[in-house]
Amino acid sequence: GAGVSQTPSNKVTEKGKYVELRCDPISGHTALYWYRQSLGQGPEFLIYFQGTGAADDSGLPNDRFFAVRPEGSVSTLKIQRTERGDSAVYLCASSLSAGGTGELFFGEGSRLTVL
Amino acid sequence: DQQVKQNSPSLSVQEGRISILNCDYTNSMFDYFLWYKKYPAEGPTFLISISSIKDKNEDGRFTVFLNKSAKHLSLHIVPSQPGDSAVYFCAGGGADGLTFGKGTHLIIQP
Repeated sequence: GAGVSQTPSNKVTEKGKYVELRCDPISGHTALYWYRQSLGQGPEFLIYFQGTGAADDSGLPNDRFFAVRPEGSVSTLKIQRTERGDSAVYLCASSLSAGGTGELFFGEGSRLTVL
Repeated sequence: DQQVKQNSPSLSVQEGRISILNCDYTNSMFDYFLWYKKYPAEGPTFLISISSIKDKNEDGRFTVFLNKSAKHLSLHIVPSQPGDSAVYFCAGGGADGLTFGKGTHLIIQP
């Protein structure tokens, strides 16, 4: 597709369960970013990849959160032992490369609800 | 510590008038600034940007002004149209991506 694709668009899970969120970036974009947006807040940085490697994971809130991008394209954000406070919209974005003029192209997000 | 601040959660403007959205920042290392627009249930979409070495950038109805000494930027929309009703996020950018403000909900009234 032409844009950033995220699946699932909605995920409802129970506290303590494991969740995976997938992001398919724009073809040819080497940089991929994960953000989290809670109600009434702006997107909050979690992690970004340049190619296959995580260039900066300083935004991951704790070790329950992990992300991979094994082939430098699709990325998966993994959340273990989910908590109610993890409920948010998880946004993925991509860009041609990191830095530069900075325009990121966002997907529509995955809305996670932890009951 | 909020590096990018949008102090107005919402702003209501009459159609045809000018909308002015404000943003303050604390990080002097930002290389550029961007404004994103977000409709409900959609991801943010890029609107306009400005390099930290410029003080103004204009694109159609949208103009962004940067005042580095005051660490302040603003987005002007003129004339405002109903389709401009959305949440607007200000963001500062550097090598590691973007830092966003909390957003301002702009409501254009007929």
